[in-house]
Amino acid sequence: DVKVTQSSRYLVKRTGEKVFLECVQDMDHENMFWYRQDPGLGLRLIYFSYDVKMKEKGDIPEGYSVSREKKERFSLILESASTNQTSMYLCASNTRDARRNSPLHFGNGTRLTVT
Amino acid sequence: AQSVTQLGSHVSVSEGALVLLRCNYSSSVPPYLFWYVQYPNQGLQLLLKYTSAATLVKGINGFEAEFKKSETSFHLTKPSAHMSDAAEYFCAVSFNQAGTALIFGKGTTLSVSS
Repeated sequence: DVKVTQSSRYLVKRTGEKVFLECVQDMDHENMFWYRQDPGLGLRLIYFSYDVKMKEKGDIPEGYSVSREKKERFSLILESASTNQTSMYLCASNTRDARRNSPLHFGNGTRLTVT
Repeated sequence: AQSVTQLGSHVSVSEGALVLLRCNYSSSVPPYLFWYVQYPNQGLQLLLKYTSAATLVKGINGFEAEFKKSETSFHLTKPSAHMSDAAEYFCAVSFNQAGTALIFGKGTTLSVSS
């Protein structure tokens, strides 16, 4: 079974802090994604990566950056946390193998509260 | 533009009743379609996916979905609801084979009463 592990289930940070959210997958997937989930808004893509050191902006990249130094690990960085970044953050991965049209495999999420 | 619409943010059924969750999409290319389920405080799990092999797709937990190209729909059904089906359900559409262009609907919360 594919396992996507997010390092924290709950985080509480102060406004202005630098925040790191970590995600590791164990299935050698090429693609990794960060979403945020808010009530009534569904899932919105922040960034994705299709290879090591490669990244692409999603729909709402402002205020975030990402890092992918190793294939299995994809980090989301909030350079200076703000209260409007309080949300559930979901990491996901899939393979780029076109024949399989791979679905996304999700971690359990990190609920971040910025006070 | 590509889009996904889930009709009804909240659906309530009685235990044993039919479950119908609606999903419509707009696409200029043949889409790949998915349904995911999210239980409280968990990530999303794949329920089923459409990959053009058959228009009626069976998934886990007794759910199935039918792809109707003429209606651009991919509605999710289950003949008899169970209390454990209470969760949030997301329809998603992928517009490329590389798997990097996935759009989610806003979700439908299913409540099941006894």
